[in-house]
Amino acid sequence: GENVEQHPSTLSVQEGDSAVIKCTYSDSASNYFPWYKQELGKGPQLIIDIRSNVGEKKDQRIAVTLNKTAKHFSLHITETQPEDSAVYFCAASGHGGSQGNLIFGKGTKLSVKP
Amino acid sequence: KAGVTQTPRYLIKTRGQQVTLSCSPISGHRSVSWYQQTPGQGLQFLFEYFSETQRNKGNFPGRFSGRQFSNSRSEMNVSTLELGDSALYLCASSLANLRTDTQYFGPGTRLTVL
Repeated sequence: GENVEQHPSTLSVQEGDSAVIKCTYSDSASNYFPWYKQELGKGPQLIIDIRSNVGEKKDQRIAVTLNKTAKHFSLHITETQPEDSAVYFCAASGHGGSQGNLIFGKGTKLSVKP
Repeated sequence: KAGVTQTPRYLIKTRGQQVTLSCSPISGHRSVSWYQQTPGQGLQFLFEYFSETQRNKGNFPGRFSGRQFSNSRSEMNVSTLELGDSALYLCASSLANLRTDTQYFGPGTRLTVL
């Protein structure tokens, strides 16, 4: 089945710096890649997603890039702020069945130090 | 538009008991997926319902079951609770049962088994 690897598992940056989280996936048929942010005590919130016909997508300080040939995609956060501190999950579309429609990475705990 | 709601938010049960969790999807969404989230295992897919039918099922024992009603609301039930069932149970809704549909998560139900 599909496998999604996410790195790093923890990331600490200074306020104002950039943060990059990388994910790789195994199924070349995957064509949808969302990113979620989960704050303490809350459910994951979609922050940005990208589909396979697009190489890059931006939304203010957040951007996602996709390299289908290499089967990896990355989340870029610029000008980080303390409120960006959270756990971030990447996901790739699956085939349903026992894995469901989305396969999630293990998460990256981002800490932004003021 | 209201988001995904889950009730109750917190539950404390003892081993051997059973529990029922409820999820109300975003209006118009017909697909509901359930996930178990634990610190060690991340987000693990339980099952997905679409139009009152279970379409996909994760690798969990038969003690975990669910159902969906005609208004798309969904419930999941865990019987004969074990200590290892302590987790955050998340529900996510999407428009339909498509691999590229965006999933929106609820806040989760925190289950503690003593």
